[in-house]
Amino acid sequence: DAGVTQTPRHEVAEKGQTIILKCEPVSGHNDLFWYRQTKIQGLELLSYFRSKSLMEDGGAFKDRFKAEMLNSSFSTLKIQPTEPKDSAVYLCASRSGTDTEVFFGKGTRLTVV
Amino acid sequence: GDQVEQSPSALSLHEGTGSALRCNFTTTMRAVQWFQQNSRGSLINLFYLASGTKENGRLKSTFNSKESYSTLHIRDAQLEDSGTYFCAAEAGRGSALGRLHFGAGTQLIVIP
Repeated sequence: DAGVTQTPRHEVAEKGQTIILKCEPVSGHNDLFWYRQTKIQGLELLSYFRSKSLMEDGGAFKDRFKAEMLNSSFSTLKIQPTEPKDSAVYLCASRSGTDTEVFFGKGTRLTVV
Repeated sequence: GDQVEQSPSALSLHEGTGSALRCNFTTTMRAVQWFQQNSRGSLINLFYLASGTKENGRLKSTFNSKESYSTLHIRDAQLEDSGTYFCAAEAGRGSALGRLHFGAGTQLIVIP
């Protein structure tokens, strides 16, 4: 079975650009998470979906970050407009449901210049 | 506030020795997972526990939900064990049900 797939693996954007990161969860998984990881802040939750419904979004990220699940097998994270402080690794994860194991993708490393 | 306190933040071990990592929880958690993040940045699943103890090779993990902690024991450390270890606990109540709370990580260096 394929794990969580994230594309692209690396992205370089200029300040002010719009970028879209993509995630395909493990087939059949109902829960999907987006996280941002930096050395200073560690892992921060951006969004949490259950059966395509948004359960939680990271309050601090609402203004320029928008995650969507267009269908159960695909999610996007849009950052608009990008700022240099958005440089980080963005991780997507999925699981069958509560009380089950979470699996992470390999992440997208975003650099905003 | 922070729901998960992970310790130590950094650890150096000589090859062949062992140690324990710990996560304390400030609220009721229903399950815990442990991950190793390798040099490439990938998060590798080590354990998922709803209770009790699991063992896999040189690693052993325990989750005590009543006393609100989990441990990860590493024995006979090898160079490939180097990396950052995270615990993540699943919230057990109310609107937080299902949310994952991550520890800040333990950076482990195994020395030849």
